[in-house]
Amino acid sequence: RKEVEQDPGPFNVPEGATVAFNCTYSNSASQSFFWYRQDCRKEPKLLMSVYSSGNEDGRFTAQLNRASQYISLLIRDSKLSDSATYLCAVSQAGNQFYFGTGTSLTVIP
Amino acid sequence: NAGVMQNPRHLVRRRGQEARLRCSPMKGHSHVYWYRQLPEEGLKFMVYLQKENIIDESGMPKERFSAEFPKEGPSILRIQQVVRGDSAAYFCASSPIGGRFEQYFGPGTRLTVT
Repeated sequence: RKEVEQDPGPFNVPEGATVAFNCTYSNSASQSFFWYRQDCRKEPKLLMSVYSSGNEDGRFTAQLNRASQYISLLIRDSKLSDSATYLCAVSQAGNQFYFGTGTSLTVIP
Repeated sequence: NAGVMQNPRHLVRRRGQEARLRCSPMKGHSHVYWYRQLPEEGLKFMVYLQKENIIDESGMPKERFSAEFPKEGPSILRIQQVVRGDSAAYFCASSPIGGRFEQYFGPGTRLTVT
């Protein structure tokens, strides 16, 4: 079983739409959770950390559900510039990150 | 504050040659991670290093691949006797404290084996 799983998509949404991605993880001992954004042929860029209480940064909201072992990312009022692949990352204490394979988002004019 | 630096950005090697990929972490970061990404695939962890120590190399192929992070200078990922299957993007990331803290990625080195 993979450590982290994501729906690869693609998600094609119109500008202004709200879109949500989920990411499930298998190890209940996981302690740290992150969302990254990766543009085509570029490096992943940290979008936000995911805290137990949930956190919001502008149009982006991240949440953690430990009981069901998933994290989510909500994007409101989608912009064309939000088109990218969104990767979730999970780590246990002191060791490697496990990345999902990414969810592709295309925002359509 | 310069970000994570990687060089070269593109590297072409013939089968059987050696590839050396370099990574300089962000200022103040002492933890380095190497990942490999094949087209249309996710990031695969290879190795996690601190200065002069390999902490976790569970993702590194047992043969031909090695990594180091010396006291002075960049971290080096070395691939000996490259084969076509080694063609990929290799990303380095750094963090100030290992494990729990965010990792910041360099621009990657795209290795092509001909």
